[in-house]
Amino acid sequence: DAKTTQPTSMDCAEGRAANLPCNHSTISGNEYVYWYRQIHSQGPQYIIHGLKNNETNEMASLIITEDRKSSTLILPHATLRDTAVYYCIVSHMDSNYQLIWGAGTKLIIKP
Amino acid sequence: DVKVTQSSRYLVKRTGEKVFLECVQDMDHENMFWYRQDPGLGLRLIYFSYDVKMKEKGDIPEGYSVSREKKERFSLILESASTNQTSMYLCASSFQGETYEQYFGPGTRLTVT
Repeated sequence: DAKTTQPTSMDCAEGRAANLPCNHSTISGNEYVYWYRQIHSQGPQYIIHGLKNNETNEMASLIITEDRKSSTLILPHATLRDTAVYYCIVSHMDSNYQLIWGAGTKLIIKP
Repeated sequence: DVKVTQSSRYLVKRTGEKVFLECVQDMDHENMFWYRQDPGLGLRLIYFSYDVKMKEKGDIPEGYSVSREKKERFSLILESASTNQTSMYLCASSFQGETYEQYFGPGTRLTVT
């Protein structure tokens, strides 16, 4: 079973920041948080990952709470092309090659 | 850019047929994966391979086999297709030790009638 809890769906206005929450209250000390997204009719795409520090790349920012029990993926200026299902995954970095996928959050960007 | 290609986007097969799904990656990745994706069930790992001729079962290997004769190619085989294998099949690859960053192909929508 997935170790994360995400809202089923969210809306965001185009041009605004999209903030996607994820709860992972049972995360252990050496488990990372990974985010992927899946645009309709495509395979999933890796976005970002982190352990305990906040992370930023060209796609998004990842904010992890100090107790590491939750995190937020931030898309700073959402566009219509960001409409997708976003998956938050918790796993060891080399966890027997397995990522356990939950249902994700359907993010709809509205014009 | 990393490219993972799958042999077909859509495939229709009959019950009992032997089905081959092919996946090729061009980034010299050691790891390759086969998943299936069904509504409400998310992505589930069928098999993965961490080297040529090496394979490990994932969560749902029953009814499937795999073949990896070359590093860049990973095949999923349905020995005798059944209607409950109708699904979206996704192939992925990654560097060894970087399982978290998997690159996915576009998927094959398989329908078994």
